[in-house]
Amino acid sequence: NAGVTQTPKFQVLKTGQSMTLQCAQDMNHNSMYWYRQDPGMGLRLIYYSASEGTTDKGEVPNGYNVSRLNKREFSLRLESAAPSQTSVYFCASSETVNTEAFFGQGTRLTVV
Amino acid sequence: EDQVTQSPEALRLQEGESSSLNCSYTVSGLRGLFWYRQDPGKGPEFLFTLYSAGEEKEKERLKATLTKKESFLHITAPKPEDSATYLCAVQAGEYGNKLVFGAGTILRVKS
Repeated sequence: NAGVTQTPKFQVLKTGQSMTLQCAQDMNHNSMYWYRQDPGMGLRLIYYSASEGTTDKGEVPNGYNVSRLNKREFSLRLESAAPSQTSVYFCASSETVNTEAFFGQGTRLTVV
Repeated sequence: EDQVTQSPEALRLQEGESSSLNCSYTVSGLRGLFWYRQDPGKGPEFLFTLYSAGEEKEKERLKATLTKKESFLHITAPKPEDSATYLCAVQAGEYGNKLVFGAGTILRVKS
């Protein structure tokens, strides 16, 4: 039982490059989320998907896009990476939007 | 605007020295408050959910309580393995579909 799996675990990008962070959950959860975590600022919601087929913006969506590929998978895409997007990214899932979320191990992204 | 403030930012305890972490919040219509534990290099791990003022939850040496304006995470006789960052989050948004996190309290327990 893997829970929430994120790939890759580490990534270095040059400014302007694009990449996709992958997330998959095996708990049959309906809702999935992408957060970023920066020192002293806590976790901030980028995008979420309340259920398969829906996506909505969170607190800091600029510069990101998401795709809810199916019930299990939710990807986060950076089209043109900027140094301000250097952060640790966490994917999470929950049974519904009103229940506790379970997090992946994170992706540490550095943009130079 | 929905806000969560945790205090203190950092706390150092001796093994066995009990203490409390605070989470104060301002949110329009609290639907739920969550406590998580985060170890270095790992994702947050769910601890508790509290839904209404007066509610309490316990797990081993941890006890979470909730009032209308704040929540406390009480740590009784902590051990070094309790060292971690403790995060508080409130369920916010019109449909309760967003979690707003505090910045966390870094707890260090020395033997």
